[in-house]
Amino acid sequence: KNEVEQSPQNLTAQEGEFITINCSYSVGISALHWLQQHPGGGIVSLFMLSSGKKKHGRLIATINIQEKHSSLHITASHPIDSAVYICAVRFQGGSEKLVFGKGTKLTVNP
Amino acid sequence: EAQVTQNPRYLITVTGKKLTVTCSQNMNHEYMSWYRQDPGLGLRQIYYSMNVEVTDKGDVPEGYKVSRKEKRNFPLILESPSPNQTSLYFCASSLYPGGVYGYTFGSGTRLTVV
Repeated sequence: KNEVEQSPQNLTAQEGEFITINCSYSVGISALHWLQQHPGGGIVSLFMLSSGKKKHGRLIATINIQEKHSSLHITASHPIDSAVYICAVRFQGGSEKLVFGKGTKLTVNP
Repeated sequence: EAQVTQNPRYLITVTGKKLTVTCSQNMNHEYMSWYRQDPGLGLRQIYYSMNVEVTDKGDVPEGYKVSRKEKRNFPLILESPSPNQTSLYFCASSLYPGGVYGYTFGSGTRLTVV
């Protein structure tokens, strides 16, 4: 079965801390997405990865294809980073199908 | 402004009364999808469309229909809604396959079926 696991489910940090959120998947993929869902419910695409590493501002996403694992890092975290972070995977041969992790709820306290 | 517009934002309906949730995008995107989000289950894909008149099932298509008669619109139809379809629904679009440059999501439709 094509599965996507995220950890941790919940994460509380102090402002300034370095944050890591993990995503593992079961079989080969063609792409992995990181999404951010704001407290108000809106969803925003952060990154699409098929290999290597991407950086945007304080956010860094990496993927290890051999280990079937991706990480999302937030450097110098800030309360505005408080959101649910969701990993979504497009499996090989899966056309436009996306399978999602259950999300990681991040709370950054001032 | 480039956006995906869903309507309505909130809807309470009764079991068995047909309803349509509309989704429209103004970015000339070819790829559109519908998702539902439930506590403890996360997001799950209902249907997707790769172009006009081309649609396919996602993970949870039962009880839903879609159509793609025009590129900009991708309505979600519940012919006979049931309480287990109470959920938060999102529509999304992308220009390229696989969301290479990301997805644009609508603001969501919170549906309650009583």
